[in-house]
Amino acid sequence: SQQGEEDPQALSIQEGENATMNCSYKTSINNLQWYRQNSGRGLVHLILIRSNEREKHSGRLRVTLDTSKKSSSLLITASRAADTASYFCAMNTGFQKLVFGTGTRLLVSP
Amino acid sequence: DAMVIQNPRYQVTQFGKPVTLSCSQTLNHNVMYWYQQKSSQAPKLLFHYYDKDFNNEADTPDNFQSRRPNTSFCFLDIRSPGLGDAAMYLCATSRDPGRVGNQPQHFGDGTRLSIL
Repeated sequence: SQQGEEDPQALSIQEGENATMNCSYKTSINNLQWYRQNSGRGLVHLILIRSNEREKHSGRLRVTLDTSKKSSSLLITASRAADTASYFCAMNTGFQKLVFGTGTRLLVSP
Repeated sequence: DAMVIQNPRYQVTQFGKPVTLSCSQTLNHNVMYWYQQKSSQAPKLLFHYYDKDFNNEADTPDNFQSRRPNTSFCFLDIRSPGLGDAAMYLCATSRDPGRVGNQPQHFGDGTRLSIL
């Protein structure tokens, strides 16, 4: 299966702390994307990193990509209660299709 | 605001009774996707349209069909829902991602389908 594996499955932190989620995948990719999903809602695109990029920032988000290890990480700095959600990595291996990872459930407590 | 809208948000149907879920978009994107997401699992792609070209995933059951009458609308038809089809169904759109697929997908809030 091309599905990515995410680690940890669940993460519980306090507001103000940093949250790190990891994603590993099996096949070559064109890009890797991260999405957030609030409970009962659709997915929201956070950031896209291309296969020739190693690091990308967007506000409090930092994504790294190591294609030699087939892994990516998402760092959320200074977490807020509103960051509570599930986070999914998604691998694009070409054309239009994404294959999603298993997800990390993040709980940020006030 | 440009967006992806799914109706209804919640749908209850009976075992074996056909059901149709709808998705509309104001983004004018030429690619539309249908995903199935079961509880605490990753979204799983069922099929997608590139303009009018329909692309079915190999493991999508024949029970699932789709129609795209125009750019803005896409429908998911489940011909004979079984208990295992209870899930959240997500519609998404993207611009033409080209060969390398460097475009994000924009999701609706989904339709949660329950089977009695």
